[in-house]
Amino acid sequence: QVQVQESGPGLVKPSETLSLTCSVSGGSISSYYWNWIRQPPGKGLEWIGYINNDGTTDYNPSLKSRVTISRDTSKNQLSLTLSSVTAADTAVYSCARALGFGERWFDPWGQGTLVTVSS
Amino acid sequence: DFVMTQSPDSLAVSLGERATINCKSSQSLLYSSNNKNYLAWYQQKPGQPPKLLVYWASTRQSGVPDRFSGSGSGADFTLTISSLQAEDVAVYYCKQYYRTPYTFGQGTKLEIK
Repeated sequence: QVQVQESGPGLVKPSETLSLTCSVSGGSISSYYWNWIRQPPGKGLEWIGYINNDGTTDYNPSLKSRVTISRDTSKNQLSLTLSSVTAADTAVYSCARALGFGERWFDPWGQGTLVTVSS
Repeated sequence: DFVMTQSPDSLAVSLGERATINCKSSQSLLYSSNNKNYLAWYQQKPGQPPKLLVYWASTRQSGVPDRFSGSGSGADFTLTISSLQAEDVAVYYCKQYYRTPYTFGQGTKLEIK
């Protein structure tokens, strides 16, 4: 059974870069599409982007200029970087699997990690 | 972008009664080549990540109780809980995966009356 766990700093200063890792066990990250999603406290869900099985990425245009998703297949990990953060980037950041190009529902999700942007 | 609008924003239903949540897309989610609707439903309980309930608009994920059902086609969809249980208290989200950027509805908060 695939399990997903996000990790990274809980506090980032404004204008700096947010960097998170998603560790996957029970399955190879090279076999699926992996997505990052965020949820500001008390608010709804926003898709950030994905990296697919051949390493191709796709990003939400609203964040595209600031976001990079990458992977380390040797560690079975994904990474998310978001540059020039502001308070509006405060959110729980989660990673989630999609089975493939057509099967783009998210399951499972990681528990998520709260990132607060504050000086 | 596809705009997903859920109704109502919140809903209170008595235990054992039916709960109905609606989701409307700004564009059709029906892909003509395979006749599938690219819509999923998720349940999120406090302090937990979302859990997949339904995909292809009406296919229940393995392990999801059969009191949950999805219906609809094109741009209008419904999630129905046939007999509300206490553990169903949650926020429910629809999501389109027809095209990126994938987008979610604003959520419907379901409570016990």
